Amino acid sequence: GQSLEQPSEVTAVEGAIVQINCTYQTSGFYGLSWYQQHDGGAPTFLSYNALDGLEETGRFSSFLSRSDSYGYLLLQELQMKDSASYFCAVRQSGYSTLTFGKGTMLLVSP
Amino acid sequence: DADVTQTPRNRITKTGKRIMLECSQTKGHDRMYWYRQDPGLGLRLIYYSFDVKDINKGEISDGYSVSRQAQAKFSLSLESAIPNQTALYFCATSSSVGVETQYFGPGTRLLVL
Repeated sequence: GQSLEQPSEVTAVEGAIVQINCTYQTSGFYGLSWYQQHDGGAPTFLSYNALDGLEETGRFSSFLSRSDSYGYLLLQELQMKDSASYFCAVRQSGYSTLTFGKGTMLLVSP
Repeated sequence: DADVTQTPRNRITKTGKRIMLECSQTKGHDRMYWYRQDPGLGLRLIYYSFDVKDINKGEISDGYSVSRQAQAKFSLSLESAIPNQTALYFCATSSSVGVETQYFGPGTRLLVL
């Protein structure tokens, strides 16, 4: 089976940097994705890591350590609009589906 | 226009009724997925399809069935709805080489009384 752990809630202030962690247990890891969801709306894809290291896309970066079964999403220069839920999702080798974590609600305050 | 559409957006039904949720996409993707979301439980996969002739059960398929009528259309049915199927349902699509990047519809809020 698979399991993913991420914090249920994170709070931060505008302009700050926040890191949302995700640890996973899976047999045959292929890659880790991150999705954003605003208030029950459609989840939207943010980033994907298949190899160790940091991927940067504007204010958002995602990191993966395959040896530690760990990844994180880093949000810089936080804005109020970043208040949302963030989900990590694992793809297993040999499978073409994703297993999602339970999500982290990020609350950005002024 | 939205690339992935779902109908209806909201639905209230009674226990025992059969209902169908529909999903259409214009992205030209061959892979389509149905998820349900419950508060605090994330997204759980119900069924998925890799082409018109391919249907696969996901993590929580009991009580649900699906039909892939065309490459662009994937519907989810609840044969006999029960209250614990009250949830937010999402359809998603991906290409065959980009499974990690899924495109979600706006969701259907279902309430089973």
